[in-house]
Amino acid sequence: EPEVTQTPSHQVTQMGQEVILRCVPISNHLYFYWYRQILGQKVEFLVSFYNNEISEKSEIFDDQFSVERPDGSNFTLKIRSTKLEDSAMYFCASKFLQSNSPLHFGNGTRLTVT
Amino acid sequence: GENVEQHPSTLSVQEGDSAVIKCTYSDSASNYFPWYKQELGKGPQLIIDIRSNVGEKKDQRIAVTLNKTAKHFSLHITETQPEDSAVYFCAAANQAGTALIFGKGTTLSVSS
Repeated sequence: EPEVTQTPSHQVTQMGQEVILRCVPISNHLYFYWYRQILGQKVEFLVSFYNNEISEKSEIFDDQFSVERPDGSNFTLKIRSTKLEDSAMYFCASKFLQSNSPLHFGNGTRLTVT
Repeated sequence: GENVEQHPSTLSVQEGDSAVIKCTYSDSASNYFPWYKQELGKGPQLIIDIRSNVGEKKDQRIAVTLNKTAKHFSLHITETQPEDSAVYFCAAANQAGTALIFGKGTTLSVSS
């Protein structure tokens, strides 16, 4: 069964540094997402992306965050200047249709900001 | 925007018992309600979903019910097994379908 793949599985960075989290969505999917999960808490929506532009973003997704689909397969999340509170699991997800279709998640990247 | 409340936060059952997890949502325009299971170190995995034109859906030991009038939906797991132990999240899609909003999760422990 096709799956969403994320790299790296664990990223450690120093406060103030830039990080790029990478994702390869399922190949025929058209809608792409990033979610965040702080340890032991709920999965929080960050941003959705379709047709090479952001469809919707949450309050968490401030100017420090950006997303890009640089080629036909990768979908990236960049955090420009990391803060301690950015430490979390970041999940990429994708789906084929906009509404009422299953959202498939990757296994996440654990970001640790020291 | 959409807000999803989930109860209980933890649930412990004996193997073979049933488990029920309940969620409420705020946006009456929401029309898609999936349930995800998350095991340690993994991403959420879809286990069942229901659309607003359906009141109940069943898949083997798992069932979901939806009450649109009351804006709540529930997950029912029958004949629980130790491998059902995980964190379960309910979610609701916003009206535009551009985002899934998750509940806070229920940690289910099934003891043998």
